[in-house]
Amino acid sequence: SQTIHQWPATLVQPVGSPLSLECTVEGTSNPNLYWYRQAAGRGLQLLFYSVGIGQISSEVPQNLSASRPQDRQFILSSKKLLLSDSGFYLCAWSVRGGSETQYFGPGTRLLVL
Amino acid sequence: AQSVTQLDSQVPVFEEAPVELRCNYSSSVSVYLFWYVQYPNQGLQLLLKYLSGSTLVKGINGFEAEFNKSQTSFHLRKPSVHISDTAEYFCAAHSGGYQKVTFGTGTKLQVIP
Repeated sequence: SQTIHQWPATLVQPVGSPLSLECTVEGTSNPNLYWYRQAAGRGLQLLFYSVGIGQISSEVPQNLSASRPQDRQFILSSKKLLLSDSGFYLCAWSVRGGSETQYFGPGTRLLVL
Repeated sequence: AQSVTQLDSQVPVFEEAPVELRCNYSSSVSVYLFWYVQYPNQGLQLLLKYLSGSTLVKGINGFEAEFNKSQTSFHLRKPSVHISDTAEYFCAAHSGGYQKVTFGTGTKLQVIP
């Protein structure tokens, strides 16, 4: 069966520090991968999606970036965090060419102080 | 472009009472529709989905939803809620040809004992 992992589970970082959040998927090949952010009262915001290694589409201009160095690994990064980057970050995968049913990871709670 | 509207941000309901969570979508092409549930500090889980066929879709935990093309709606219903149904519910849509899924802003269901 397929599983999706995210780490860390929680993170407290000072403003201006770098960020690296990792997501890995097991039990499937060639998935579509997604990064979402939930901020208080703002619902679910799609940040990035990827249909293959090295292929990243950005949905919202910001100081975050994403990379997909391997087929089942998706990394969210920042060089300098802002207060507004605080939120709950969710990684998800879907079957490429399918109905786009999204399978979510457990999330990372990020607090920028 | 597709959009998903969940007009109710919060819905309080007494235990064992019925509930309906509303979702409307806009899309110029055929669409796949989803409901996800999110418990506190967790990722989203798929409740049910409509891809084609019968317009009444049954999901996990006793939930069901009905696809209404003429009204562009996909409302979620449960005849008798439990305390454990307290969570946030997200409606989502995917139109063929796009890699990404559009989510609504979520409805918080609070079941009152």
